[in-house]
Amino acid sequence: AQRVTQPEKLLSVFKGAPVELKCNYSYSGSPELFWYVQYSRQRLQLLLRHISRESIKGFTADLNKGETSFHLKKPFAQEEDSAMYYCALAGGTSYGKLTFGQGTILTVHP
Amino acid sequence: ETGVTQSPTHLIKTRGQQVTLRCSSQSGHNTVSWYQQALGQGPQFIFQYYREEENGRGNFPPRFSGLQFPNYSSELNVNALELDDSALYLCASSLEGLTGEFFGPGTRLTVL
Repeated sequence: AQRVTQPEKLLSVFKGAPVELKCNYSYSGSPELFWYVQYSRQRLQLLLRHISRESIKGFTADLNKGETSFHLKKPFAQEEDSAMYYCALAGGTSYGKLTFGQGTILTVHP
Repeated sequence: ETGVTQSPTHLIKTRGQQVTLRCSSQSGHNTVSWYQQALGQGPQFIFQYYREEENGRGNFPPRFSGLQFPNYSSELNVNALELDDSALYLCASSLEGLTGEFFGPGTRLTVL
């Protein structure tokens, strides 16, 4: 069974501080991992996917298969990063199905 | 701004009733996935439609059903509504059966 765990429901940091949003997954095959973000009063949107190996808005995420983790990191948080962040997994024959974590609310204080 | 639209925005129904939610996918996208998001939870996969055929289903009872039309728009139907069906229903569109890249704004369903 696929499972995604985001251990922190809330995360607060100050502007300019590094931020790391944790994500652990459970999947027996080779998963595809994603981070989605939802800003206040906006729709859910794709932030990044691990196969792209890209950095979006200064965020990066590395897939660690040994630790089954896909943590989202940014070296210097900005106030506009305050949002709900969801980690999600897709894989195998259910490639089109996303399994989401419960989400982490990130608040960046001025 | 993405092109995925959903209607209606909000809906109030009573237990036992039936409801139809609608989704228009991003232009050119032939795959639509539906998700249920209960308050304080991440979205949960209901099912996916690819070229008018169901292409995967999550752990939801048969009273949750769907359709996809030739123009790739989609409907989610829920029969015999229960209080626990109160949630935000999201649709996401993508190409060729892949994961939902573009989400709609959602329909907030309240069952009384």
